[in-house]
Amino acid sequence: GENVEQHPSTLSVQEGDSAVIKCTYSDSASNYFPWYKQELGKRPQLIIDIRSNVGEKKDQRIAVTLNKTAKHFSLHITETQPEDSAVYFCAAIGGTGNQFYFGTGTSLTVIP
Amino acid sequence: KAGVTQTPRYLIKTRGQQVTLSCSPISGHRSVSWYQQTPGQGLQFLFEYFSETQRNKGNFPGRFSGRQFSNSRSEMNVSTLELGDSALYLCASSLVGLSTDTQYFGPGTRLTVL
Repeated sequence: GENVEQHPSTLSVQEGDSAVIKCTYSDSASNYFPWYKQELGKRPQLIIDIRSNVGEKKDQRIAVTLNKTAKHFSLHITETQPEDSAVYFCAAIGGTGNQFYFGTGTSLTVIP
Repeated sequence: KAGVTQTPRYLIKTRGQQVTLSCSPISGHRSVSWYQQTPGQGLQFLFEYFSETQRNKGNFPGRFSGRQFSNSRSEMNVSTLELGDSALYLCASSLVGLSTDTQYFGPGTRLTVL
């Protein structure tokens, strides 16, 4: 089955700096890669997603890049703000068995 | 539109019991999926239902089962509870499927097994 690895597990940045979280996947058949933000005690919420036929997608301060050849995708947050502090999960879907595989999460802390 | 709702929000059971959790999707959504979230294992996919049929299944034992009704509401059942089943159980709904459109998560049911 699919294996999604996510790094780093924790990340601290100063307000205004950029944050980058990286994920790798193993199943080349995976075709959909969403990113979720989960604040403490709240439900995961989709912040951006990318499909396998696209290399990059941007939404204001958030961007995702996908390298299908290397089987990795990354989340980029620019001009970080304290409200960006949360746990971020990557996921890969659509591979063998069409399951939903999550990364292990990155706890991002933005220091004011 | 109302969001995804889950009941109950909190539940305490003892080992060996069984439990049923409920999920009401966003109106018009036909796909409902279930997830287990624990500090040790993170977020894990349990299964997905679409049009009352289980369409995809994760790597969980047969003690975990589910069903979906004609109004798209879904229930998840766990039989013969074990201590390791203590977790936050999340459901999510989408219009048609996991890799097709956005998954909207419910608030979760916090299950504690004593």
